Amino acid sequence: QQQVKQSPQSLIVQKGGISIINCAYENTAFDYFPWYQQFPGKGPALLIAIRPDVSEKKEGRFTISFNKSAKQFSLHIMDSQPGDSATYFCAASIEATGANNLFFGTGTRLTVIP
Amino acid sequence: DSGVTQTPKHLITATGQRVTLRCSPRSGDLSVYWYQQSLDQGLQFLIQYYNGEERAKGNILERFSAQQFPDLHSELNLSSLELGDSALYFCASSVGTSGGRDTQYFGPGTRLTVL
Repeated sequence: QQQVKQSPQSLIVQKGGISIINCAYENTAFDYFPWYQQFPGKGPALLIAIRPDVSEKKEGRFTISFNKSAKQFSLHIMDSQPGDSATYFCAASIEATGANNLFFGTGTRLTVIP
Repeated sequence: DSGVTQTPKHLITATGQRVTLRCSPRSGDLSVYWYQQSLDQGLQFLIQYYNGEERAKGNILERFSAQQFPDLHSELNLSSLELGDSALYFCASSVGTSGGRDTQYFGPGTRLTVL
């Protein structure tokens, strides 16, 4: 059972465009929502994360929007660049218990065309 | 470079065999996590250790086991291997604090191929 649902599976965006990836969850106990970026042959690397006490977090060109009532969150990549081409995973965990294991979405393969 | 090291990078073995994957966490991190990444299952949490003790268990098969040693490195043992165990196995580490601010850093992974 997939605890975090992610869409789309793949995304092609022109350079300079906005990339949007969406995720949804059911477990209201989740209290930490990170996004990871993975390049081929590498391990996932933390990109940006949000906690449910805020509705938006921005770091450079990357923004997470969080809708607690809808149990949805999304990643926006502004001014997308070819170097952003990678697979993006949303995830969720329950930090309060100390068992911070991550439940990952299925991933979105982003391709930014020059 | 995340600071998490994993060995070996690649492993090719036959069905029915047993292998051991090794992970060294970042300096100062007490928690180690193991994840399996396959094409059909995505990234799945297997097990977490904190300072030598098992803290959480995910979808880990009974044929798989792990431990964390006093020097905090961890080993994942996979036995009676099946074709379906072929996957990338990632180790991640974190400080291990509860209640927030506990980023997991992933290693480069071990690619296991079972023939």
